[in-house]
Amino acid sequence: DTAVSQTPKYLVTQMGNDKSIKCEQNLGHDTMYWYKQDSKKFLKIMFSYNNKELIINETVPNRFSPKSPDKAHLNLHINSLELGDSAVYFCASSRNRVNTEAFFGQGTRLTVV
Amino acid sequence: QQQVKQSPQSLIVQKGGISIINCAYENTAFDYFPWYQQFPGKGPALLIAIRPDVSEKKEGRFTISFNKSAKQFSLHIMDSQPGDSATYFCAASKSSNTGKLIFGQGTTLQVKP
Repeated sequence: DTAVSQTPKYLVTQMGNDKSIKCEQNLGHDTMYWYKQDSKKFLKIMFSYNNKELIINETVPNRFSPKSPDKAHLNLHINSLELGDSAVYFCASSRNRVNTEAFFGQGTRLTVV
Repeated sequence: QQQVKQSPQSLIVQKGGISIINCAYENTAFDYFPWYQQFPGKGPALLIAIRPDVSEKKEGRFTISFNKSAKQFSLHIMDSQPGDSATYFCAASKSSNTGKLIFGQGTTLQVKP
């Protein structure tokens, strides 16, 4: 019974393609996040949604567009993929925007060739 | 601008020894300081966390020491075991904000048998 699940786990694609990563949490949490982990393992927040409302939008190229159809799901769509987008993307959730105990998914390793 | 600085970058400890990882933060508004453990191919998992109203928190072999005046906190792993070999991240957030976690750069710990 995975609390925060992401699909796919691995994604290899060519430059210029458009791809999506899906995330679902079954914890009943209100807040969900996307974090990016680069090749040096540095973790940085990209977006956050609280009850389907966007509350964090860090300095991320607008080729990246999150979508939250309901509070249990937060998907990440990336247009016109570039080599520099290669990274591991983690979805996470927390009970709400004040309680920052975050639970992370297993990650999606994106490789752009 | 790195708001949370973590050291060392890597650490090798003998089995049974004490592993110590340090973090320093800049923003005095931070009021939640978690440590995450990440194994290869997995997402970060919350290990232990502290709030600034206490100077120390212990859970099993893991202890956080917190020094509010110095704006520093550290993770101590007592009786380190080979199974503790992982990457450790400190983080900080403002609980009245958006739930955003600011991570340190990570420490790769290797415990030798």
